[in-house]
Amino acid sequence: EAGVAQSPRYKIIEKRQSVAFWCNPISGHATLYWYQQILGQGPKLLIQFQNNGVVDDSQLPKDRFSAERLKGVDSTLKIQPAKLEDSAVYLCASSLGTGPEAFFGQGTRLTVV
Amino acid sequence: QKEVEQNSGPLSVPEGAIASLNCTYSDRGSQSFFWYRQYSGKSPELIMFIYSNGDKEDGRFTAQLNKASQYVSLLIRDSQPSDSATYLCAVYGGSQGNLIFGKGTKLSVKP
Repeated sequence: EAGVAQSPRYKIIEKRQSVAFWCNPISGHATLYWYQQILGQGPKLLIQFQNNGVVDDSQLPKDRFSAERLKGVDSTLKIQPAKLEDSAVYLCASSLGTGPEAFFGQGTRLTVV
Repeated sequence: QKEVEQNSGPLSVPEGAIASLNCTYSDRGSQSFFWYRQYSGKSPELIMFIYSNGDKEDGRFTAQLNKASQYVSLLIRDSQPSDSATYLCAVYGGSQGNLIFGKGTKLSVKP
């Protein structure tokens, strides 16, 4: 069974530029999460989708971050414009939905300079 | 906002000893509890989950849950240097049905 796929693995951008991350969850997984993990901290939930509907986006900085999940499968997370404090690893995870065990992709390490 | 608290450590134990990792959570409606292991530079990896009060054993790992005290723990028996990693406690459920992580406890097992 293929795991959660994310791209790109690494990205370096200047502040005020925009960036997008892509996630393809495990086949059949209805729930998809995006987390932000700053160095030395635990993953912080940004947004949770159930199929293509948003379950929780209370921690998403909506003035600069946006996310969508097309047709309940792939998802993209966008930051525009980026700030220095957005430097982090962005992790995508998915779960069946019937059971909450979540499996993570390899993450995208974003550096904003 | 649901909160999950962990001692950040580092927790240092000698090889062969028992490592004890603790976690408390704020939302009494939480339903499921998870322990993830994260090696430096890698993604979190699920190692244990527990839904009911009591103990759950899997090899060298034992998860313990006490819902009345809102407390979850992970015991690692016969600790090995390869167990050195950050251990993340995660809690699912409550009013928003989401998966929230603690900040993690860094474990170091000394040979």
